[in-house]
Amino acid sequence: GESVGLHLPTLSVQEGDNSIINCAYSNSASDYFIWYKQESGKGPQFIIDIRSNMDKRQGQRVTVLLNKTVKHLSLQIAATQPGDSAVYFCAENPILTGGGNKLTFGTGTQLKVEL
Amino acid sequence: EPEVTQTPSHQVTQMGQEVILRCVPISNHLYFYWYRQILGQKVEFLVSFYNNEISEKSEIFDDQFSVERPDGSNFTLKIRSTKLEDSAMYFCASTTGVGAFFGQGTRLTVV
Repeated sequence: GESVGLHLPTLSVQEGDNSIINCAYSNSASDYFIWYKQESGKGPQFIIDIRSNMDKRQGQRVTVLLNKTVKHLSLQIAATQPGDSAVYFCAENPILTGGGNKLTFGTGTQLKVEL
Repeated sequence: EPEVTQTPSHQVTQMGQEVILRCVPISNHLYFYWYRQILGQKVEFLVSFYNNEISEKSEIFDDQFSVERPDGSNFTLKIRSTKLEDSAMYFCASTTGVGAFFGQGTRLTVV
């Protein structure tokens, strides 16, 4: 079946370095993507989103890149800080093509920031 | 900043008992959702609710589950007869359209 998946379950980075978290999706109808951050014991926190008519979107210290050709999504975090340590999920939503507005989540990547 | 609030934060219940999980979505949002997350696993969609009715539900959302919006602010998830495998974090979410903003979750433990 169609799914959203992540390449790496755990990513360790040094404080101050840039982090790149990757996600592959297989639903070609997906036209809206979101990155969520989830800290232990908390709910998913919206970080940044991107629509399929874009290939890049920047936020504060974060950038999302979308490559529709290979169905790949990435989240880049600049100057990673200890507070960035969390599990990061990508989620896809086919709402813009009438596929409903539920989110399908990937399995998550644990980001660990080392001091 | 407006947020989705959920109560209780923890709920322990005996197998076979009914539980009601409560949520107050963000006030101007129109779409409401319940998701669940079994420990260590990904977040799974349960149900979406719009215009006072279910708009979509997953295979997980069987006859033991129901949702209600009893007034203008609350959104509830009821599990009629809990099973051990219902133990999970349950997240409420809301949105004006695309995407979703999540609450902090209710940890349900069925014993």
